[in-house]
Order: sequence, then structure tokens, then C-alpha cells
Amino acid sequence: DTAVSQTPKYLVTQMGNDKSIKCEQNLGHDTMYWYKQDSKKFLKIMFSYNNKELIINETVPNRFSPKSPDKAHLNLHINSLELGDSAVYFCASSQGGRGFQPQHFGDGTRLSIL
Amino acid sequence: GQNIDQPTEMTATEGAIVQINCTYQTSGFNGLFWYQQHAGEAPTFLSYNVLDGLEEKGRFSSFLSRSKGYSYLLLKELQMKDSASYLCAVRVEEDSSYKLIFGSGTRLLVRP
Repeated sequence: DTAVSQTPKYLVTQMGNDKSIKCEQNLGHDTMYWYKQDSKKFLKIMFSYNNKELIINETVPNRFSPKSPDKAHLNLHINSLELGDSAVYFCASSQGGRGFQPQHFGDGTRLSIL
Repeated sequence: GQNIDQPTEMTATEGAIVQINCTYQTSGFNGLFWYQQHAGEAPTFLSYNVLDGLEEKGRFSSFLSRSKGYSYLLLKELQMKDSASYLCAVRVEEDSSYKLIFGSGTRLLVRP
């Protein structure tokens, strides 16, 4: 299936731990994104990569570090997890540039910090 | 700053028509998207407007007025499966890159 897939779907861990979320897309897109959706359902962009290059870096704590080994993958590593990091994290991809370029979203990773 | 407003919740009856409004104050406007998100699922693309006017796609239509900073999503012949959150998102251009700014979503409940 052509899609954006992210793993794991659920992540429950203790405060202070380090964890990673992986994302892969096989849509042939050149741009990938990480979003955070909080308990109020606000979907907010965190990072965007175009052809492995970081192009958007919103005001995110530097405990969050994205890594793009190639344009089909964008992983998110989080150090020293805090209670406020509990949220759903969505990966998305699109073709870059102007015009009609809808973003396609993965199913989300539900992160719960104990 | 960039700001997008939409109602928090709406309720409608199966078979009816509902209009979900979105107003925005943004700089670098480069198009407006509507996404549907069922509870516990990923947002899925519904519609896109970049020029003023109405775009129709089956039971769903979306309207844009750039001068007024206003859009709406119109859902006709409502079905129970249309119960979901509807997210208005504006694409803005910043520093030669594009990003989506989302509203907080409108939760639509369709009743029998």
C-alpha cells in the first residue's frame, strides 16, 4: 500500500527516558513533516525536511531532534521525556513547492509519559 | 501573528446540510486546505482553495474569500459517518518554504 507509516502506534514510558519514533513514506514525496497534536486537538508543526534538508524548525525544545537519512524517512528522537510531551505525534509528507500539494498523514504515535 | 478561528463544535441531523466557517489572519497566504479527522485517526485531505470562489467535490464544497480572510466547508446530505473533526489549515510561505497552520478544528456530531 502507498502510504505514510509511522511506528510505534503507542508509546508509554517513564519521565526522563529517551525514545524514538520512525516514519517512512513510499509516495515519492520530497518533503516530510512532524506535527504534535495536544489534548485540545491543536495540530502544530514541529519540523519539516525537504530532500533530507531541514527547512522548518519551529520553537521546539532541543530535546527533540529529527533525523532524515533519506527523503523517504524522517525519524524523531526525544531526550529526557517530560510530562508535557504527552501527545499524539503525526508524521506527514507532500511534494514540495507552490500550488496544490496536500499533505498525507501517518496514523499517529500516541505518546504517554508516566 | 498567524491566527485561524473556527467553531469548536457543531451538531446537525442526518440528511441535512451544514456549513463550517473558518476565518484567518495570516501573512504569506498560499492556499487553504480542509482536512477531516475521525477520532483516533489521521487527518485526511478534503479540499483545497487558492483562488476566490467555490470548489465542489461530491457532497463536499469549500469556499474562499481572500479579501475577507474567510472560508467555509459545506457538507450536504449528511451521513452518520461524517461525524468527525474538520480542520481548516492555511498554507503560508515563510523564508522560501511552506508550512500549514491549522485551526483547532470543529467537532461535528451528526444525529439520526
